[in-house]
Parts: sequence; C-alpha cells; structure tokens
Amino acid sequence: SAVISQKPSRDICQRGTSLTIQCQVDSQVTMMFWYRQQPGQSLTLIATANQGSEATYESGFVIDKFPISRPNLTFSTLTVSNMSPEDSSIYLCSVEDLGAGGYTFGSGTRLTVV
Amino acid sequence: SQQGEEDPQALSIQEGENATMNCSYKTSINNLQWYRQNSGRGLVHLILIRSNEREKHSGRLRVTLDTSKKSSSLLITASRAADTASYFCATDGNRGSTLGRLYFGRGTQLTVWP
Repeated sequence: SAVISQKPSRDICQRGTSLTIQCQVDSQVTMMFWYRQQPGQSLTLIATANQGSEATYESGFVIDKFPISRPNLTFSTLTVSNMSPEDSSIYLCSVEDLGAGGYTFGSGTRLTVV
Repeated sequence: SQQGEEDPQALSIQEGENATMNCSYKTSINNLQWYRQNSGRGLVHLILIRSNEREKHSGRLRVTLDTSKKSSSLLITASRAADTASYFCATDGNRGSTLGRLYFGRGTQLTVWP
C-alpha cells in the first residue's frame, strides 16, 4: 500500500491568513484527492489533482479559495486562503491503492482558525 | 445526494461483545468500502466489497452487502477497547460521478469499554 506523509498535522491560524498543506506519497500516483471534514461531519471532496493539469474542483469549492499544486506524481499541496473560522476542519489527502483496493489517506491536518 | 448514511450514529459496548454498524446509500455502486478513523486523524481502509459480492470477511470484520436494499453492514466480533473509533462507509458513486470520488456517510462513533 502507498504511504502518505501529510504536513502539518495541526495548526492554529489567524483569520485572513493562508495555510499550505503538503502531501508526499512514497510512490507515483496519477490522481490525488483532497477532502475536508468539518467538525462532527463526514468527508467532502474538495478537488482532484492530476499532475500536469489544473485541479478539478467539486461544487462549492473554488480555486481562489483552495489553490492546489501538483508539480509531480508524488507530491501535492492544498492552500486554504484568506481563512475564516468556518474553515476550521480536518483536511485530508488521499490516493487510490490499486494493490489492496480502496484508498489510502494522509494522517490529516487539523486546522483551527481564530 | 449519493452520500451514504450510517446508523447508529453512536454505539457503546463492552469488550468482547460484537458491534454491528449499518450503512445505506442511494445510487447504484461499483463497490462499497468501510474506513476507520481514530480521534479525527487519517482514515484507514478496512475492507472493500464489490457490488457482485454479498459477504466478505477480514479477521474479526464481516461485511455484508445487499444491493437490492442499497445497504451494507459491518460486524466487528469480539470487540476490543482498541476498536474505539469512528467508522465510515463510502461508496464510489455511479457513472458520471468524478472518477475516484468517494461518497462518505457521517459515520458511527464506536466506544468499547474495557
């Protein structure tokens, strides 16, 4: 199974600032997925990131707010821009695990905006 | 919504007892997956069952799928305190949904008391 290193694990940020979350995968993957999990809620897909092309955003999420980079097949970043307290959530990256089936998730970034 | 829904939302049992969690979904699927999340951290893939399968086992886990009722159940036998976590079902959606997109339910919070 793929192993994902996600950083930072948590952060407390001031409103109006931005935070960049990084995910490094130990193998090359075509697609990486970014999810948000609001307190006590389920996971919601933010966008799908393919190497060499712009990310595809789900309804309700826009590039200006959540810019994504995918410079190569093992790395991606998600930036949460101009943060407000409503952005306080856990953010997770994910890749498909072709060997075992299912998906492998990063350990998550717990973001608190004050 | 294609989102799955688990029930119960919370389940509290004693060590050694069995825990059963249910999931219902709304659209046709290719597969259904169960994940575990400890204390708001990353998700761990537990088991995947395909739409043409009715039952699957993995260690102390038993998953059933009834596509006619659009429902699945996860049974954890001989539970342990270490099984305490949130459990989510996720479906891959039907044709036309974003490739690789998973639809998560809100989860069942399982507490196993020693």
